[in-house]
Amino acid sequence: EAAVTQSPRNKVAVTGGKVTLSCNQTNNHNNMYWYRQDTGHGLRLIHYSYGAGSTEKGDIPDGYKASRPSQENFSLILELATPSQTSVYFCASGDAQSQDTQYFGPGTRLLVL
Amino acid sequence: GDSVTQTEGLVTLTKGLPVMLNCTYQTTYSPFLFWYVQHLNEAPKLLLKSSTDNKRTEHQGFYATLHKSSSSFHLQKSSVQLSDSALYFCALSDRGSFNKLTFGAGTRLAVCP
Repeated sequence: EAAVTQSPRNKVAVTGGKVTLSCNQTNNHNNMYWYRQDTGHGLRLIHYSYGAGSTEKGDIPDGYKASRPSQENFSLILELATPSQTSVYFCASGDAQSQDTQYFGPGTRLLVL
Repeated sequence: GDSVTQTEGLVTLTKGLPVMLNCTYQTTYSPFLFWYVQHLNEAPKLLLKSSTDNKRTEHQGFYATLHKSSSSFHLQKSSVQLSDSALYFCALSDRGSFNKLTFGAGTRLAVCP
């Protein structure tokens, strides 16, 4: 099965601080995604990428940046963290090879104080 | 834009009873629907998917049929088990090159002894 890992698994940050969430996939999928999960909202797409060097805005990109330095790695960056960004963040990968199935990482629980 | 509606936030059932979790969608494209399941403190995982109208798809005892006429993709199981307790998400693909998914808010299924 596809393997997607995330680090850190838990993070406490201060308001106004910078936070970087990392994601690594070993499946050679072209597409990678960042979601946040909040009760009542399901999973909402923040940013996605279709290959190294590319990043695209998803449905809720405000306050977030993304970086895809390689096929395997995709980072989500909160330059100035706010309490409203307290959430659980999931990274996923997938493409036509996986018959459009997205494989999710274990998630990062972020608390912004 | 695309949207997915899951009407039940919480479904509580006794073990051995049947269940149906509702999912309806709106899209201007040819629909490709997914059900993902997320157990407590785990990553979402694909349960089943379909893009074929009126064809039942099954996996791990769960089944669903895509009905384009009613824009629905309800998830069913004839006899729920304690291990089925989880959060279930319905999702819709945009069928584009990047396979972006739009998720419903999710339905929590709680199975009691």
